[in-house]
Amino acid sequence: DVKVTQSSRYLVKRTGEKVFLECVQDMDHENMFWYRQDPGLGLRLIYFSYDVKMKEKGDIPEGYSVSREKKERFSLILESASTNQTSMYLCASSPPGQQNYNEQFFGPGTRLTVL
Amino acid sequence: AQTVTQSQPEMSVQEAETVTLSCTYDTSESDYYLFWYKQPPSRQMILVIRQEAYKQQNATENRFSVNFQKAAKSFSLKISDSQLGDAAMYFCAYRSGGSRLTFGEGTQLTVNP
Repeated sequence: DVKVTQSSRYLVKRTGEKVFLECVQDMDHENMFWYRQDPGLGLRLIYFSYDVKMKEKGDIPEGYSVSREKKERFSLILESASTNQTSMYLCASSPPGQQNYNEQFFGPGTRLTVL
Repeated sequence: AQTVTQSQPEMSVQEAETVTLSCTYDTSESDYYLFWYKQPPSRQMILVIRQEAYKQQNATENRFSVNFQKAAKSFSLKISDSQLGDAAMYFCAYRSGGSRLTFGEGTQLTVNP
């Protein structure tokens, strides 16, 4: 089974702190994604990566950056956390091309609170 | 840009009954995929069912089936014989070229015993 893990289930940070959210997948997937989930807004794509050291902006990249130094690991970075970044963050991975409909496999999520 | 709309923020159903969750989408593409994902409380999101736009036959997975109306751009999920374990947030999602998914707002389903 595909396993996507995230470094923390719950995280509390202060405004202005630098925050790292880590995601690891064990299925050798090329594609990895970071979403934020907010009530009434569904999931919105922040960034995604289709290969090591490659990244693409999603729909809401402002205030975030990402790093993918190894294929299995995709990090989301909040350079200076703000209260409006309080949210649930979900990581996902998927195989390339037309394998399995590009089904995305999700991690358990990190609920981040910025005070 | 593609958009996905779930007009029912909340739905409820009695155990053993049938419920239908609605989803509409907007696209100019002819070839795409549609998905329903389930997010149980405090648990990971999992894929429930998927549909290729070029297939006319509606997808079915056990108690879960879809009603795909391509001309109307509608993709509803029907859950038959609802069980307590079906209680979750359900998301409709769309994908055309590439790997990106576009999600709807979600529908919170409550199953009453």
